[in-house]
Amino acid sequence: EADIYQTPRYLVIGTGKKITLECSQTMGHDKMYWYQQDPGMELHLIHYSYGVNSTEKGDLSSESTVSRIRTEHFPLTLESARPSHTSQYLCASSGHGQLNEKLFFGSGTQLSVL
Amino acid sequence: GEDVEQSLFLSVREGDSSVINCTYTDSSSTYLYWYKQEPGAGLQLLTYIFSNMDMKQDQRLTVLLNKKDKHLSLRIADTQTGDSAIYFCAESDGNNRLAFGKGNQVVVIP
Repeated sequence: EADIYQTPRYLVIGTGKKITLECSQTMGHDKMYWYQQDPGMELHLIHYSYGVNSTEKGDLSSESTVSRIRTEHFPLTLESARPSHTSQYLCASSGHGQLNEKLFFGSGTQLSVL
Repeated sequence: GEDVEQSLFLSVREGDSSVINCTYTDSSSTYLYWYKQEPGAGLQLLTYIFSNMDMKQDQRLTVLLNKKDKHLSLRIADTQTGDSAIYFCAESDGNNRLAFGKGNQVVVIP
């Protein structure tokens, strides 16, 4: 059972609002990731982190920003939400060992910007 | 970069076998993965195969890997309604980042 949590589960918000999507994991994993999933199901990596104070842009350009001040916490922020940001956002983490690429996913945040 | 291709939709009757296919480009991946996403949920690792194997069986799941053709498949025997989900194959880019296919939606008809 994965111990990675995302809040809120659903968020409906107006254009121009600032929002933060929360992601926390209790597995002590160094690596954390944010994926954006479009309605066509495809997953796009938008941010990742290899540890505290490490953040990198992913393959898909995103107007969101992330921070990694603590190992267990990897929040994603949108300063000014727009309808084009409407999507499912999935947070994941991975740790050490034989399958250090194995990703544990949270349940996701479904964001709707009106 | 890595490119993972999957077909999009599969409908199967309960009790039949279902096969999902995937092609990938990066032959340096140590492992190749199958993830399952149930409605309204995140992805869950279903199974994986080490790149020097050509087959792995795990209960109702059989993974076949053809390294020459860079082709990965997942066979689900005795498909059940709980198998209705989106299935993603994934490979590593060598930097602990996974590249996912577009996903294949499986619908099991009772």
